[in-house]
Amino acid sequence: AQSVTQLGSHVSVSEGALVLLRCNYSSSVPPYLFWYVQYPNQGLQLLLKYTSAATLVKGINGFEAEFKKSETSFHLTKPSAHMSDAAEYFCAVRGSGGSNYKLTFGKGTLLTVNP
Amino acid sequence: NAGVTQTPKFQVLKTGQSMTLQCAQDMNHNSMYWYRQDPGMGLRLIYYSASEGTTDKGEVPNGYNVSRLNKREFSLRLESAAPSQTSVYFCASSEILNTEAFFGQGTRLTVV
Repeated sequence: AQSVTQLGSHVSVSEGALVLLRCNYSSSVPPYLFWYVQYPNQGLQLLLKYTSAATLVKGINGFEAEFKKSETSFHLTKPSAHMSDAAEYFCAVRGSGGSNYKLTFGKGTLLTVNP
Repeated sequence: NAGVTQTPKFQVLKTGQSMTLQCAQDMNHNSMYWYRQDPGMGLRLIYYSASEGTTDKGEVPNGYNVSRLNKREFSLRLESAAPSQTSVYFCASSEILNTEAFFGQGTRLTVV
């Protein structure tokens, strides 16, 4: 079975500072990895996804994530935070076959951006 | 382009009442899912339907039933609502297995 651990339920950064949201996964098969963003009172929107192609994945709104198999990590970064980035971010993992295809989410990291 | 549409958006139930949450997608996706979101718990899978005509239990199926009415629609039923089912419910769909899921806007359910 696969699982996801997001380190830090709340991250606070200043506007213009680096954003780093941490995600570690566990999967018995090669994983598909995703980052989703949720703005208040809205559904989840896909930021980016890793599907075994390039290990550095670029997403929307200037976010990117790097898949590191040796560290079982898929951390999300953005060089310069903007006020509009304040939201909750979820890392998710899905296996690549059989009954492993279910999408499993981490518990989320709330990002606040201070002016 | 509506994507995934959930109804209703808000609902208050009394303990023991029943209701059905509706979900429809217009992207011709094969797979559909129901999740619940609770503070500090992330999203937990209730039921899913890999393709039309099939449904399977997820992580937290107790107290729920589902129906994959056709390729577009996937409903979630609470037969006898309990306060522990107070949550935000999300429906999602994906084209095939191993592709990203698209989410609806959620149904905020309160059971009193």
